[in-house]
Amino acid sequence: EDQVTQSPEALRLQEGESSSLNCSYTVSGLRGLFWYRQDPGKGPEFLFTLYSAGEEKEKERLKATLTKKESFLHITAPKPEDSATYLCAAFDSSASKIIFGSGTRLSIRP
Amino acid sequence: DAGVIQSPRHEVTEMGQEVTLRCKPISGHDYLFWYRQTMMRGLELLIYFNNNVPIDDSGMPEDRFSAKMPNASFSTLKIQPSEPRDSAVYFCASTAWRDQPQHFGDGTRLSIL
Repeated sequence: EDQVTQSPEALRLQEGESSSLNCSYTVSGLRGLFWYRQDPGKGPEFLFTLYSAGEEKEKERLKATLTKKESFLHITAPKPEDSATYLCAAFDSSASKIIFGSGTRLSIRP
Repeated sequence: DAGVIQSPRHEVTEMGQEVTLRCKPISGHDYLFWYRQTMMRGLELLIYFNNNVPIDDSGMPEDRFSAKMPNASFSTLKIQPSEPRDSAVYFCASTAWRDQPQHFGDGTRLSIL
C-alpha cells in the first residue's frame, strides 16, 4: 500500500537552531514529491517539487532534498515566522491523486 | 490572479441538515480536488474532477456525500444528511496539469452539532 510518513510529528526549536524534517514514502512508480507549508486557518501553500533522487531545491531558509526512499526539508537558522505545519505529498506516474503525509508541526521560539 | 475561493469559511449546523460547500477554482485549471482534513486522519482526498468530469470518487466516505462540477468555474460538495463525524475542514484545490502542484483554498470549517 502506498504510504507517506512524516517525522517528527512536532518539533520545537529555538530561533537560529537549524534542523531537518523527514518524509519517507513507499509509492510505487514515484513521479514526484511536493512540500507544502500550512498556517493555522489556511490551506496548504506550495513550497517545492522534487522529481528525482539527488535533486535539491532552496527557498530562503528552506532546502528540500530527495533520495529514493525519503525527502528532507532542512531549515537553516529558522525564525519565528517559519512556524507552521509542513506537509509532504508523493504522487506516482499513473494517477492524478497524491498521498499526503500527516505533517510536522514546527514551532520556533524567539 | 485570484486563488481558489471557497465558501462559506465556517459552517455550523445541526445533525441531519443538508450542507453545501462551494468552490471556485483558478481560471484555466482543468483539475479540481476536494479534500477533508482532520487531526486524526490528516488530509484525505475525497474526489477529483478533470474538465468538469468526476474521475475518482473512491475517497467519498459514503452515499451521504456528493459532488458536482456544473462548469469550469464552480464545484459543490454536498452532505445530506450531515452527521457529527463529518465535522472537519474541507479544502478545495485546483491545478492545470496532473503532475503540477495543487493550489488550495483556505477551506471551510464545518461543525455538525
